[in-house]
Amino acid sequence: GNSVTQMEGPVTLSEEAFLTINCTYTATGYPSLFWYVQYPGEGLQLLLKATKADDKGSNKGFEATYRKETTSFHLEKGSVQVSDSAVYFCALSPDRNSGNTPLVFGKGTRLSVIA
Amino acid sequence: EPEVTQTPSHQVTQMGQEVILRCVPISNHLYFYWYRQILGQKVEFLVSFYNNEISEKSEIFDDQFSVERPDGSNFTLKIRSTKLEDSAMYFCASGRDRSYEQYFGPGTRLTVT
Repeated sequence: GNSVTQMEGPVTLSEEAFLTINCTYTATGYPSLFWYVQYPGEGLQLLLKATKADDKGSNKGFEATYRKETTSFHLEKGSVQVSDSAVYFCALSPDRNSGNTPLVFGKGTRLSVIA
Repeated sequence: EPEVTQTPSHQVTQMGQEVILRCVPISNHLYFYWYRQILGQKVEFLVSFYNNEISEKSEIFDDQFSVERPDGSNFTLKIRSTKLEDSAMYFCASGRDRSYEQYFGPGTRLTVT
């Protein structure tokens, strides 16, 4: 079946530290991969996506590369800010050829950045 | 920027009562979804809706659940007889077309006592 596993939180970092949140997946077919972010009191927002192997998604200084050989989509940022404090969800869409299929989410990783 | 809205933000209900959670998707979107997140657990898919009918549903979405798009703008999730284990955050999402981007609302926290 399809599943997503991401590192347990919470993760606490100092401002300007390097961030990695690990995400691995299991899927049949050719999934698309996503990172969503949820700021306090808000909904899930798409942070970045990658639709095929070796694609790199990037947004707001965050990056993730779709690695088919390791079935991973780790989220990275070189220098985090206090405003990056949020919960980060890794997700996959199982069938990239049909579109609008339900997303499969990881448990979420809470990131706290302290000044 | 258009956004998905959900009401109420928090609903408290007694076990066995019916609840209706409301969502207003983005106006030109055609695909609609409900997800839920039990505290500390994964976000789980419940149901998808397109062209006025359910297109896919999970095993969670049993006969106690129903969805409706009553007036062309709202998208509702009804739970007929709530159970304690229905306590969760419920997220509505919508998508414009066959792209993969789903836009999520802020969620409704449902507490069943």
